[in-house]
Amino acid sequence: EEQLVESGGGLVQPGGSLRLSCVASGFTFTNYWMTWVRQAPGKEPEWVASIKQDGREKNYGDSVKGRFTISRDNAEDSLYLQMNSLRAEDTAVYYCAREHGDKPYYYYGMDVWGQGTTVTVSS
Amino acid sequence: DFHMTQSPSTLSASVGDRVTITCRGSQSFSGWLAWYQQKPGKAPKLLIYETSTLESGVPSRFSGSGSGTQFTLTISSLQPDDFATYYCQLYDTFSVTFGGGTKVEIK
Repeated sequence: EEQLVESGGGLVQPGGSLRLSCVASGFTFTNYWMTWVRQAPGKEPEWVASIKQDGREKNYGDSVKGRFTISRDNAEDSLYLQMNSLRAEDTAVYYCAREHGDKPYYYYGMDVWGQGTTVTVSS
Repeated sequence: DFHMTQSPSTLSASVGDRVTITCRGSQSFSGWLAWYQQKPGKAPKLLIYETSTLESGVPSRFSGSGSGTQFTLTISSLQPDDFATYYCQLYDTFSVTFGGGTKVEIK
């Protein structure tokens, strides 16, 4: 079974840092772009960042650019999100997801998702 | 700034109804459009990609269409399992945008 399992969420003060992890299983991790998507309570999902199969290409949403860093360890089938300078508006459930496609040539959506990990930024 | 608007934001319908959800772009786009279903406390689930291609395992009562600035998701005959929130998603030039969502409620 293709599976993604996130961890690392929690309560953090404004200005603090947190590192999220996502472990993949059941598929060949190195074949896919991987992405982080977050969803604040009662809101639509918001794309956060994506990383290419070899880790050399990374893209970020405007709201996290310069504060968050996406990375991956293909030897460990793992995806990471380092979040610095956290703000109250970063409070959300964070999902990792697999992207199906060969960007930018074609894109078939996010076809495997984790269960999410909750990040709360509050004093 | 490009943005996407979904309508309606809430839809009340009965089992067996035909349901249509619309996603409009603020300008014409040529990117890749997908649709997701989300139930409370769960991750979104991919239903349709490339505007009209059904993801494996998704019932054929779901369909997608559109071009230019307007795209639609249609459920031909609403089933009890379909009451959920639906989101459109656009991929264009290394950026992804989700629509605001449409909640399909029981009438």
